[in-house]
Order: sequence, then structure tokens, then C-alpha cells
Amino acid sequence: RKEVEQDPGPFNVPEGATVAFNCTYSNSASQSFFWYRQDCRKEPKLLMSVYSSGNEDGRFTAQLNRASQYISLLIRDSKLSDSATYLCVVAPSGTYKYIFGTGTRLKVLA
Amino acid sequence: DAMVIQNPRYQVTQFGKPVTLSCSQTLNHNVMYWYQQKSSQAPKLLFHYYDKDFNNEADTPDNFQSRRPNTSFCFLDIRSPGLGDAAMYLCATSSQGAYGETQYFGPGTRLLVL
Repeated sequence: RKEVEQDPGPFNVPEGATVAFNCTYSNSASQSFFWYRQDCRKEPKLLMSVYSSGNEDGRFTAQLNRASQYISLLIRDSKLSDSATYLCVVAPSGTYKYIFGTGTRLKVLA
Repeated sequence: DAMVIQNPRYQVTQFGKPVTLSCSQTLNHNVMYWYQQKSSQAPKLLFHYYDKDFNNEADTPDNFQSRRPNTSFCFLDIRSPGLGDAAMYLCATSSQGAYGETQYFGPGTRLLVL
């Protein structure tokens, strides 16, 4: 089993749609969680950190479920500019490493 | 303002010809990372430094070496590039590692091996 698993997609959704991605992780001692966005042939950029209480940033909402060991990302009112790959990143405690999922590809269609 | 800078952005080298990629940061972060990313794959950690403390991943080929002469700079040396080493190489930093701290990435160097 991979340490961090994501559905690779692609998710093709119309503009204005709501779309959700899930990510599961295997290390129950993981401490920090992030969603990064990566555009084609560019570097990953932080979208948001994920906190136990859940957090929201505009159209984006992230949730953490420690009991089931998954995190989610919800995008409301999708825009064409949201088209990208979304990387789930998990940081186990006691290490300086970050474990990346393979990413979920989103394509928002006009 | 650029915070993690990588040079060059594109590098073409010949099979077996050594190449060095550079990374610099203005964040004064003590942890620096090198990742290799191939198309449609997750970034793969090659090694990281906590200050001068070097940490190599077990599956990083011996062909890959790194140097960190000071806090700001880190280099990736590929001693004898093979065709399979063609990839995007990403440098990243974080202030103290994986305790809720964000990783910041440079724009990457795309390596082509002929």
C-alpha cells in the first residue's frame, strides 16, 4: 500500500460545478497535511494546509479525518483557472520528510 | 519576490556528461530538499539537508550527489547522466521541517539528456 494515495482522475467538470477529492494516508502518526496545486510543467504551490478542525479559503475547503486517515479538498463554483493537478502531501511526525501523493488531475470545462 | 531560485531553468546535457543544478533561497530556511519529478508522477525525494546534516534517501542512485556550502545555496550534481535521469528537478525549503511548516518550491530545472 502506498503511503499516500489519491485518485489520479482526470476529473472533468463543467464551470460552476462543485468537485471533491480525497486522499488517504497509511501512517497514523502523520502530523501535518497539505494540499498543493501543480500546473503543467510548473512547480507545486501551496494551496492550503489542512487542520484538524477543517479550514476554508474562499471556494476551497479542506477537511481532515484522523480516524479514517483521509483528507479531502472541496472546490466550489469551479473556474477554468482551477484546472491543474492537486497534490496531497503528508508529513509524518519525527521526520523532516514530506510524502506526496501522485496527484489528482482536474479539468474544468467551459 | 523570488524566494527559492533555481538555475538553470532548462539544462541539456549529453549522456554521461556531468551536470550541476543550483538552488538558492532568500528565506533563511534551515531545511533544503531536492526532488526528482517525472511526467505524471509524484515528486520523489532524493535527499535533504537539515543545516549541514545530509540525509540521503535509500533508493537515491549513487550517481546523484549534493552539496550545501552555506544556508542559502544547495547543489545537485549528476555525475554521469543517463537517459532515465531526464526529469524536472525541484528544490524546496522549509524552516524547520515537518512540524506544520510549509514547503516552498523553486520553479524547477528541466533536464534533458541526449
